[in-house]
Amino acid sequence: KNQVEQSPQSLIILEGKNCTLQCNYTVSPFSNLRWYKQDTGRGPVSLTIMTFSENTKSNGRYTATLDADTKQSSLHITASQLSDSASYICVVSAGNYQLIWGAGTKLIIKP
Amino acid sequence: SQTIHQWPATLVQPVGSPLSLECTVEGTSNPNLYWYRQAAGRGLQLLFYSVGIGQISSEVPQNLSASRPQDRQFILSSKKLLLSDSGFYLCAYKRGEITGELFFGEGSRLTVL
Repeated sequence: KNQVEQSPQSLIILEGKNCTLQCNYTVSPFSNLRWYKQDTGRGPVSLTIMTFSENTKSNGRYTATLDADTKQSSLHITASQLSDSASYICVVSAGNYQLIWGAGTKLIIKP
Repeated sequence: SQTIHQWPATLVQPVGSPLSLECTVEGTSNPNLYWYRQAAGRGLQLLFYSVGIGQISSEVPQNLSASRPQDRQFILSSKKLLLSDSGFYLCAYKRGEITGELFFGEGSRLTVL
């Protein structure tokens, strides 16, 4: 069964600190993996996309990694800011364009 | 540039009442359009998608229906709402067939009482 599991479910960190969010998937065939950021009460916005051959990709203070062998991805946020408070959702695209969504990690940045 | 609009933003409806959520896309033609529902603590659930006018695919059998009367208009409806229909509804269009990035509207918060 195609599944995407994210951890932790929620996370609270102080402003300026770093954090790492995890995404484990069992999706076959694998096409790509995308991280979305969703502010409370808004629609998700894509942060980055990882294809099978990519190990690391950065978007400003966001760095995503992908290990296709262990079927794990992580999203690392450096020097967190209050505006980083949001839910971060991992989505894996299967070969038939089906999207498998994780439940998300709710990140709270405290001043 | 491409934009997507969704309304209303919030809606409180009694059980048994009808529902109509509207979504329009600008700046593109023949987009793939999607309706998702998001429940608290759960991943997005695909409800309907459409690849063209009048073409609707349903992913989950339920109390809802969708229609695409125009190329860039997608409507989510119900004749009689249930309590379980409460949730956050998101409309999206896809840009890029290969990478499949979805662009979402602002969402509609539906509360059924």
